[in-house]
Amino acid sequence: DGGITQSPKYLFRKEGQNVTLSCEQNLNHDAMYWYRQDPGQGLRLIYYSQIVNDFQKGDIAEGYSVSREKKESFPLTVTSAQKNPTAFYLCASSSLDPATNEKLFFGSGTQLSVL
Amino acid sequence: AQSVTQPDIHITVSEGASLELRCNYSYGATPYLFWYVQSPGQGLQLLLKYFSGDTLVQGIKGFEAEFKRSQSSFNLRKPSVHWSDAAEYFCAVGGNTGTASKLTFGTGTRLQVTL
Repeated sequence: DGGITQSPKYLFRKEGQNVTLSCEQNLNHDAMYWYRQDPGQGLRLIYYSQIVNDFQKGDIAEGYSVSREKKESFPLTVTSAQKNPTAFYLCASSSLDPATNEKLFFGSGTQLSVL
Repeated sequence: AQSVTQPDIHITVSEGASLELRCNYSYGATPYLFWYVQSPGQGLQLLLKYFSGDTLVQGIKGFEAEFKRSQSSFNLRKPSVHWSDAAEYFCAVGGNTGTASKLTFGTGTRLQVTL
């Protein structure tokens, strides 16, 4: 089945530690996105990528980093510079077809908590 | 700047009753409008979208939404709610920008269904 796989489902970070969240898609989508979701808030865009080896900052990129070495993969690193990392992180993808490029497909998310 | 307002944080309806979730938007041009649904601990799934044309759009799971330009609204409706509809619902607005990175999400409405 085509879809987006995020792992792990739950992740704990120690003080000063970098952690990496995995996102893999087999939908053959060119564009991939990372969102942060906090209770009572909408989704906020962290980073996005429309092509391999290229990515752009979203609204809240500080304290995060990404890479896009393969079309299928878009890992997110939460660095120690992110002082409030506890949140639910969602990865999404979309095609670049003008007829469907604003339809997002989401993974099932990673809940990151601080120890 | 574009924005989305979902005035109702939490709504409770009885199974079999009708449902209307409110969404008001602000957008400087012709908007693209979306409703997504999120089950607990899961990613978001697209219910329906409005790009142009007929202002009443049909979606999956028996949902529909009506675009009212004069009221800047895109309310989601369902004639008869099922217990499985309990979830969080997000409205989003964007435009013909060629990328989902320009979508703005509302803060969500949590739907509880009583039996």
